Amino acid sequence: ETGVTQSPTHLIKTRGQQVTLRCSSQSGHNTVSWYQQALGQGPQFIFQYYREEENGRGNFPPRFSGLQFPNYSSELNVNALELDDSALYLCASSLDINNEQFFGPGTRLTVL
Amino acid sequence: EDQVTQSPEALRLQEGESSSLNCSYTVSGLRGLFWYRQDPGKGPEFLFTLYSAGEEKEKERLKATLTKKESFLHITAPKPEDSATYLCAVRKNTDKLIFGTGTRLQVFP
Repeated sequence: ETGVTQSPTHLIKTRGQQVTLRCSSQSGHNTVSWYQQALGQGPQFIFQYYREEENGRGNFPPRFSGLQFPNYSSELNVNALELDDSALYLCASSLDINNEQFFGPGTRLTVL
Repeated sequence: EDQVTQSPEALRLQEGESSSLNCSYTVSGLRGLFWYRQDPGKGPEFLFTLYSAGEEKEKERLKATLTKKESFLHITAPKPEDSATYLCAVRKNTDKLIFGTGTRLQVFP
């Protein structure tokens, strides 16, 4: 059984650019959640998608947007990058919205 | 305000020296408390889910317990490979997990 995968592994962007991060859910999982983890901190919830619909959003500005596809893979888009957006971005999938979340390896984003 | 606090921030143990990590929370309508292990530069690895006070779960050298206000992760006779950051998270709705900042555990041979 394939776990949660994310791409790319690392990414370097400059301030003001846009970035798209990708996540493939674990097989059979219909729910995807995205988190941002700054160095030395716990993950912070960005948003969740359940069956292609947004199911909740954390305290992040609208320039953070997402999408879930019919195969339940997902994208996180960030526009107008800021230096503070530098972090590890984690995707987690779950069998359903009430089940445990299993995390991918993350994408390390550096904004210069 | 919903809050999760973990202590200590860092813990250094000798191999075989048992100890406990604490996670205290203030969340109304708790719908699960989760423990994860995170190695440097990697995603969190799921360990346990606890739902009600008095519940306990075990996995190898780890045992998690839950009360109405806190959870403990007990580590019995730890080995160097147990070195990692241990994260606690709570869920109050069906969407987000609220994480603590973690406890960095180092186990020395």
